[in-house]
Amino acid sequence: DAGVTQSPTHLIKTRGQQVTLRCSPISGHKSVSWYQQVLGQGPQFIFQYYEKEERGRGNFPDRFSARQFPNYSSELNVNALLLGDSALYLCASSPGPAEKLFFGSGTQLSVL
Amino acid sequence: KQEVTQIPAALSVPEGENLVLNCSFTDSAIYNLQWFRQDPGKGLTSLLLIQSSQREQTSGRLNASLDKSSGRSTLYIAASQPGDSATYLCAVNDYKLSFGAGTTVTVRA
Repeated sequence: DAGVTQSPTHLIKTRGQQVTLRCSPISGHKSVSWYQQVLGQGPQFIFQYYEKEERGRGNFPDRFSARQFPNYSSELNVNALLLGDSALYLCASSPGPAEKLFFGSGTQLSVL
Repeated sequence: KQEVTQIPAALSVPEGENLVLNCSFTDSAIYNLQWFRQDPGKGLTSLLLIQSSQREQTSGRLNASLDKSSGRSTLYIAASQPGDSATYLCAVNDYKLSFGAGTTVTVRA
């Protein structure tokens, strides 16, 4: 079975632009979470979705939004990009909200 | 707010030595705790998951313990190898994962 897949793997944007990151969970997993990892730090929680509903949101501005589709894949959108949004964005899936998480390889976003 | 701390931040050992990585957390109301490995610029690979009702988990050369009442977990890696060089992250799950900053391990051949 395929693991968690994320696209694109790398992305370069300029300040003020908008970006969409995509995630496909492991087959059978209904929960998807998004994390931001800045170089040298541990990942920070952004969103969790379960059964297409938002179950949790971290301390991120409203420029960050996400959604989960009927096939349980997910998109993370970031508007009005800032230099500080440069980071590795990680998607994780699990069968349910409090179960073992499996991570994708991430999308490396660079904002110039 | 859950705070997770990992000590030490970095560790360098000769091949064959045992590794001890520490993790502490402030809120004991957790579902489980996971240990991850991360290679530079890569995603996270799950190593071990300990449920809140468990005291330890083992997989091969890896052993993780959990003392929920004191807010501590320890990851032991026996007989370290150069391939074990990576950053190790612990994360506590209280519906979301709260991560420590990690311990960067270098195993010298």
